[in-house]
Amino acid sequence: DIMMTQSPPTLSVSPGQRATLSCRTNQSVSTNLAWYQQKPGRAPRLLIYDASTRATGIPARFSGSGSGTEFTLTISSLLSEDFALYYCQQFNNWPLTFGQGTKLEIK
Amino acid sequence: QVTLRESGPALVRPSQTLTLTCTFSGFSLRASGMCVSWIRQPPGKALEWLALIDWEDDKYYSTSLKNRLSISMDTSRNQVILTLTDMDPADTATYYCTHMGGTAWYVDSWGQGARVTVSS
Repeated sequence: DIMMTQSPPTLSVSPGQRATLSCRTNQSVSTNLAWYQQKPGRAPRLLIYDASTRATGIPARFSGSGSGTEFTLTISSLLSEDFALYYCQQFNNWPLTFGQGTKLEIK
Repeated sequence: QVTLRESGPALVRPSQTLTLTCTFSGFSLRASGMCVSWIRQPPGKALEWLALIDWEDDKYYSTSLKNRLSISMDTSRNQVILTLTDMDPADTATYYCTHMGGTAWYVDSWGQGARVTVSS
């Protein structure tokens, strides 16, 4: 199974600032990576797929980059609604695997 | 518009078999590229992918759970069924039915989730 490592586990950032979340895999997944946002008590929501393509309705302040084994989710100017849990998922190999998540909290 | 709804027991006894049903609308699981996947999330923990069934009735399973999992579809009822045998308290989680469509296996639509507790 492909192992996914997200860092940091918790990220404290002030509203209006930039947040950078990392996801690494233990083998190449090309650009077959997605990012999700999850708020308490809710199902996750797709943000980014194919490493850098924003899903329908996702604001431009969310951007994804990377390929191979290193990926980044950047939120350019944090709004209060962006403080949540974020997960990456690879879909290059079976079985599909998720990272352990990064909690983005208000500083 | 794709919608998915999970149904099944909220409480299961240890060693019993869990059967969850996903009833969906807005797509046909017989259409090329369509897939339904199950993902779970224990309380306070990360997402865990469990199983996937595609439009050709091909099935894929989590490595760690493949001996206990089964996924099937009933296209006449627009349903996907997941069974997990020999339930343990560690299987306590919210179970999500999800849609993956098109050319890649990422989730573009989620059900609301079904909370399942394993306890005697």
